[in-house]
Amino acid sequence: GDSVTQMEGPVTLSEEAFLTINCTYTATGYPSLFWYVQYPGEGLQLLLKATKADDKGSNKGFEATYRKETTSFHLEKGSVQVSDSAVYFCARADGNNRKLIWGLGTSLAVNP
Amino acid sequence: DAGVIQSPRHEVTEMGQEVTLRCKPISGHNSLFWYRQTMMRGLELLIYFNNNVPIDDSGMPEDRFSAKMPNASFSTLKIQPSEPRDSAVYFCASSLGGMADTQYFGPGTRLTVL
Repeated sequence: GDSVTQMEGPVTLSEEAFLTINCTYTATGYPSLFWYVQYPGEGLQLLLKATKADDKGSNKGFEATYRKETTSFHLEKGSVQVSDSAVYFCARADGNNRKLIWGLGTSLAVNP
Repeated sequence: DAGVIQSPRHEVTEMGQEVTLRCKPISGHNSLFWYRQTMMRGLELLIYFNNNVPIDDSGMPEDRFSAKMPNASFSTLKIQPSEPRDSAVYFCASSLGGMADTQYFGPGTRLTVL
C-alpha cells in the first residue's frame, strides 16, 4: 500500500554538522512531497515541498530533491544550528490529492 | 494575520467526562483537519472537512468521537465519554484548498484524561 518511511530517530548532531534525514515513499504516479517541521510545544509547519520529479524544495537552508528513480525525498542541511532542534515529518499526497500520508517523524537534537 | 486558533490549550479531565475541543481555521481556508498525536502512534488524521462537509472520517477512532463544522470559521471535536487512552495532543489544521495544499497547524490542545 501507499506509505512514507523515514529514518528512525533520534538524531543527535553538533552545531555546524551536516544533516541528512532519509525519506522514501511508495506510490503510483508522481505525488507531491512535503517536509513539515514541529518545534517543541508547537504545531507542525511546512518546511518545503516539491510537486514534480527532479524538483528541489528549499527553505531556511534545508533542501530536498524529488527523486523518482529512487522514490526518495531526503532532507539535507549543510550546517545545522541549535535552533533546528525539532521533529521533522515527511509526507506525500495520494494520487488524487485527497489524502496526505505522513511518516512517523524524526527527532533532531543539535548540541552547541 | 491570525493563524489557526485552538482552545483550550490544555485540558485535564476525569474518565467518563465529556471533552470539547474547539478550532477556528484561518479565514478563507476551505479545508479543515483534526489530528491526534501520541508517542505510540505518531500523527493520525481523525477527520477532514472541505467547505464544512466531512470528506473523510475514517480516522475517527470510535463512536465516542464526533466532529462538527457548523460554519466556515468554527469546528469542534467532542469525546464522550473520555477514556485515559484518549490522552494526546490534538491539532487542528486548515488549508486554502484540499489535503495536498499547505496545511497550517494550530498550537494544539494537550488532553489528559485521568
